[in-house]
Amino acid sequence: KAGVTQTPRYLIKTRGQQVTLSCSPISGHRSVSWYQQTPGQGLQFLFEYFSETQRNKGNFPGRFSGRQFSNSRSEMNVSTLELGDSALYLCASSLVPGTDGNTIYFGEGSWLTVV
Amino acid sequence: DQQVKQNSPSLSVQEGRISILNCDYTNSMFDYFLWYKKYPAEGPTFLISISSIKDKNEDGRFTVFLNKSAKHLSLHIVPSQPGDSAVYFCAATPRGGSEKLVFGKGTKLTVNP
Repeated sequence: KAGVTQTPRYLIKTRGQQVTLSCSPISGHRSVSWYQQTPGQGLQFLFEYFSETQRNKGNFPGRFSGRQFSNSRSEMNVSTLELGDSALYLCASSLVPGTDGNTIYFGEGSWLTVV
Repeated sequence: DQQVKQNSPSLSVQEGRISILNCDYTNSMFDYFLWYKKYPAEGPTFLISISSIKDKNEDGRFTVFLNKSAKHLSLHIVPSQPGDSAVYFCAATPRGGSEKLVFGKGTKLTVNP
């Protein structure tokens, strides 16, 4: 059974550009969430999607956006990139949110470097 | 405001001994807790979880204990193995249908042969 798949794994962008990251959840999982990991701030929640609807959003500027498609695949977009956006972006998926024993699995992440 | 705290940035233990990683939380709305293991440049790997209706959950060498009154949980690894060396993150989520995980800063565990 394939795990959470994220593409691309590594990318370098220039300040001011935009980037789109993709996530394919585990087959059958309908909930997808995104996290940012930086050395200074640790792992921080970006947003959460279930059945194509954003259920929750973290404390990030509007430059960060996302969406979920009918097949549960998700994308996140960062516009007008800043140096501080350099981070590991992690996608996670689960079956049904908010249920006991509902394990949340993470992908390998997308390493974004902004120069 | 750090709602999930792992106060020990690092921990070193001998192979075969017990590793105890601690985690404290402040938000009483949290009622589902998870532990993840992470290597650099990789995604977190799920280890074990516990619901607030329980005080203990075991899975092989890993046991998580939850003390709701103290808002404290701990992960016990017995026996510790060199392959357990990694950063361990504690995470919490509130009931109510959200998958929003609030993570601690992590504890780097080193298991010495």
